Amino acid sequence: EAQVTQNPRYLITVTGKKLTVTCSQNMNHEYMSWYRQDPGLGLRQIYYSMNVEVTDKGDVPEGYKVSRKEKRNFPLILESPSPNQTSLYFCASTRTGQETQYFGPGTRLLVL
Amino acid sequence: QKEVEQDPGPLSVPEGAIVSLNCTYSNSAFQYFMWYRQYSRKGPELLMYTYSSGNKEDGRFTAQVDKSSKYISLFIRDSQPSDSATYLCAMSPTGTASKLTFGTGTRLQVTL
Repeated sequence: EAQVTQNPRYLITVTGKKLTVTCSQNMNHEYMSWYRQDPGLGLRQIYYSMNVEVTDKGDVPEGYKVSRKEKRNFPLILESPSPNQTSLYFCASTRTGQETQYFGPGTRLLVL
Repeated sequence: QKEVEQDPGPLSVPEGAIVSLNCTYSNSAFQYFMWYRQYSRKGPELLMYTYSSGNKEDGRFTAQVDKSSKYISLFIRDSQPSDSATYLCAMSPTGTASKLTFGTGTRLQVTL
């Protein structure tokens, strides 16, 4: 089944404790992206990647890192999480010419 | 001012009603317009995709784009309780394998 998977789905952590949210797609998509979704603010792009080893900042990259060493994986790293990073995170992927970005199921993060 | 404005709702309608959802935008470079549907605790999924101006119909759903007014609409005919979800408009200047700018989403409730 073609899909985007994210892990973990739910995470509670404390300020300053490094964490990684994984994202994997099995559709051989070149383009992958991370979003955060907050009430009243909608979906905002954090980072995106056009292909392996090619990443770039989105609208809200502060406090996040990404890497794209393999085509299928695009992990999101929070080196020192803070409470303002409490949010719902979505990974998405697509390829040129497709009509949609395919979204993962989301990761709900709470930073205490 | 946000690049994309969308009334957050909530919008409550009786089953069978015609629903109109709208977004306005300020960036005249947007050429690709999408409507996503997001059920509670799920990732967004594409509902309608339109390139440039015009109408597109798919079953009970019609998407309209008026680039001269920078205004897009989604109409849902014969609304069903299963249509209850949050509807997000999204736009891009260069297609889906690039940055999408989302509206904040409109929450729709279709009642029996």
